[in-house]
Amino acid sequence: GAGVSQSPSNKVTEKGKDVELRCDPISGHTALYWYRQSLGQGLEFLIYFQGNSAPDKSGLPSDRFSAERTGGSVSTLTIQRTQQEDSAVYLCASSPQGHKAFFGQGTRLTVV
Amino acid sequence: AQSVAQPEDQVNVAEGNPLTVKCTYSVSGNPYLFWYVQYPNRGLQFLLKYITGDNLVKGSYGFEAEFNKSQTSFHLKKPSALVSDSALYFCAVRDGDNYGQNFVFGPGTRLSVLP
Repeated sequence: GAGVSQSPSNKVTEKGKDVELRCDPISGHTALYWYRQSLGQGLEFLIYFQGNSAPDKSGLPSDRFSAERTGGSVSTLTIQRTQQEDSAVYLCASSPQGHKAFFGQGTRLTVV
Repeated sequence: AQSVAQPEDQVNVAEGNPLTVKCTYSVSGNPYLFWYVQYPNRGLQFLLKYITGDNLVKGSYGFEAEFNKSQTSFHLKKPSALVSDSALYFCAVRDGDNYGQNFVFGPGTRLSVLP
C-alpha cells in the first residue's frame, strides 16, 4: 500500500484482557513511531524504532505496554491487562531517516 | 531534550480573515520543524516542514510558516481562512543533528473558522 496501515481500525475489549495493535509502515521507512491520543487531546509519545538500534521506550506509560518490530517492518503494540484509562486512539507513523512522518489512520481502542 | 509549546488551545477567526497559529520550540541541536493538521476522526496529515533554507515555508492548502531562530518560533499562517480549515493543528520538532530522537508534538490548537 501507499501509506501507513493500522489494524484494527476499532477495537472494543473488556477490562483485563490483552490487546494487540498492528502497524504496517511504508516500505523502506527505517523509523517507526507509536503515539497515543486521548479524545481531542495532544499526542503522547510511546515508543520509537530506528533501524536496528535499540528502541526508545521512554514513553511507555507502564510495564503493561510493550512493542516489537519484526524484520524492520511490521510493528505490534501490545497492551496487557487493559484498563479503562487505556482507551484512546493509538497512532503509528513511519519516516524515512527523520524527515516528515507519515501517519496511519489510527486504532481506536475502547476498554469497557 | 526537545519540547514544543502551542500557547493557544483555541483560535477563532472569521472566514476570509488571516489566521495565525502559534508555536514555539526548544531543541538542543538543529531544529527540524513540522506542522500537521487533524480533521475530525482522521489521522494526522502533513502540512509543511522547515529543515533548512528560506525561513518562510509554503505548504499544502495555502498554509505557510515562518521560522524565526531568535524567537525559537514557527508560527503557522494563512492569508485568508476558509471554513474547511477548521481542525486541530499540531506543531512538532525533532533534533536534526540526532536521528535517535523522536518527533515531539505540541498539545495542539483547535482552529475554528466562522462563516
